[in-house]
Amino acid sequence: AQSVAQPEDQVNVAEGNPLTVKCTYSVSGNPYLFWYVQYPNRGLQFLLKYITGDNLVKGSYGFEAEFNKSQTSFHLKKPSALVSDSALYFCAVSHSGYGNKLVFGAGTILRVKS
Amino acid sequence: ETGVTQTPRHLVMGMTNKKSLKCEQHLGHNAMYWYKQSAKKPLELMFVYNFKEQTENNSVPSRFSPECPNSSHLFLHLHTLQPEDSALYLCASSQGEGGSSYEQYFGPGTRLTVT
Repeated sequence: AQSVAQPEDQVNVAEGNPLTVKCTYSVSGNPYLFWYVQYPNRGLQFLLKYITGDNLVKGSYGFEAEFNKSQTSFHLKKPSALVSDSALYFCAVSHSGYGNKLVFGAGTILRVKS
Repeated sequence: ETGVTQTPRHLVMGMTNKKSLKCEQHLGHNAMYWYKQSAKKPLELMFVYNFKEQTENNSVPSRFSPECPNSSHLFLHLHTLQPEDSALYLCASSQGEGGSSYEQYFGPGTRLTVT
């Protein structure tokens, strides 16, 4: 069965500092990995995905994520955090043969303080 | 805006009421989804439709009844709900014919409160 773990309920970082939001996954076969962000009273917004190829994926708003197969991880990163990055972040996983279904992690709250 | 709209944005209903949630996507996608988002729980997939055909029912109680008249519209009909059904209901759409490598685009959700 597919699963995603986001080990931190909340991440706090100062504005201008680098940020990392962690995600590990378990899936049979090659994974498709996604990051989404949710702002208050809004739906989820797609940030980036890894399907195949380069392990470093760049996405919206300056975010990037690195696929690490040996550690089964897909951590979200940004070199310099903004207060406006404060939101709820979800990692999700799927794989070929799983239809359209995504399995989401529980989410990590990111708080960026000025 | 993501190209996926949901109405109403907020809904309060009694346990004996019948109501419907509506979702519309303007992205030309082939697949549509209903999710339930409850506090402190992961997103729960409820239903998946591909080209108007239901391809997934994730053990959802029969008091939730989906309808997909075409690839652009999706409804969730609600009746005799329970207080524990109070949650944010999210609609999403994606490209592809069953492929899972496509990202999903979400609507803003309907905040449902069952009294």
